Amino acid sequence: AQKVTQAQTEISVVEKEDVTLDCVYETRDTTYYLFWYKQPPSGELVFLIRRNSFDEQNEISGRYSWNFQKSTSSFNFTITASQVVDSAVYFCALSDFISSGSARQLTFGSGTQLTVLP
Amino acid sequence: GAVVSQHPSRVICKSGTSVKIECRSLDFQATTMFWYRQFPKKSLMLMATSNEGSKATYEQGVEKDKFLINHASLTLSTLTVTSAHPEDSSFYICSARPRDRGSGEQFFGPGTRLTVL
Repeated sequence: AQKVTQAQTEISVVEKEDVTLDCVYETRDTTYYLFWYKQPPSGELVFLIRRNSFDEQNEISGRYSWNFQKSTSSFNFTITASQVVDSAVYFCALSDFISSGSARQLTFGSGTQLTVLP
Repeated sequence: GAVVSQHPSRVICKSGTSVKIECRSLDFQATTMFWYRQFPKKSLMLMATSNEGSKATYEQGVEKDKFLINHASLTLSTLTVTSAHPEDSSFYICSARPRDRGSGEQFFGPGTRLTVL
């Protein structure tokens, strides 16, 4: 069965610090997709990134970067020079085929509450 | 593009009444829509998957007679919480997957906060 683990329940950092959010996943599928979402206090999920299992290139988008390591089944997310507006809950999610069939459901991790202090 | 709306954003109702939540894909056709429930400080829990024109598939432990889902068109799905009780109070989020998204990417609505008194 597919599973996503975000071991860090809460993280607090001071503004301008770098912070890494961990995500470890389990799947029997060879083709799968990984996602990160941000959920600010308003509740709306904001899509951050999608990565397919065949693309292990790390990605950088502004202050955000992602490190996909297939060997360790991890897809970690780093925010550089954090800002107060980065405070939110961050979810890692997995979509594969074997567990969910054609529906390709998303399995979410439990989320990491990031608080950036001024 | 790929905008999903949800209505209402917030609803307060009395115990025993039914509440309908609408989920619309505004600029794309969604063959599949999903309904999630989220408790405070918890993750999203998938309730059901609905495909246009067919019955929804409910996750284990979700009462299909209590949470009625209708996916009437390629842009609209509704969730009706029947005979709501205080324990049904939660944040309900819908998502929609475009017809051609093999990656499983879903676009999420802004959520509906339901409070049952």
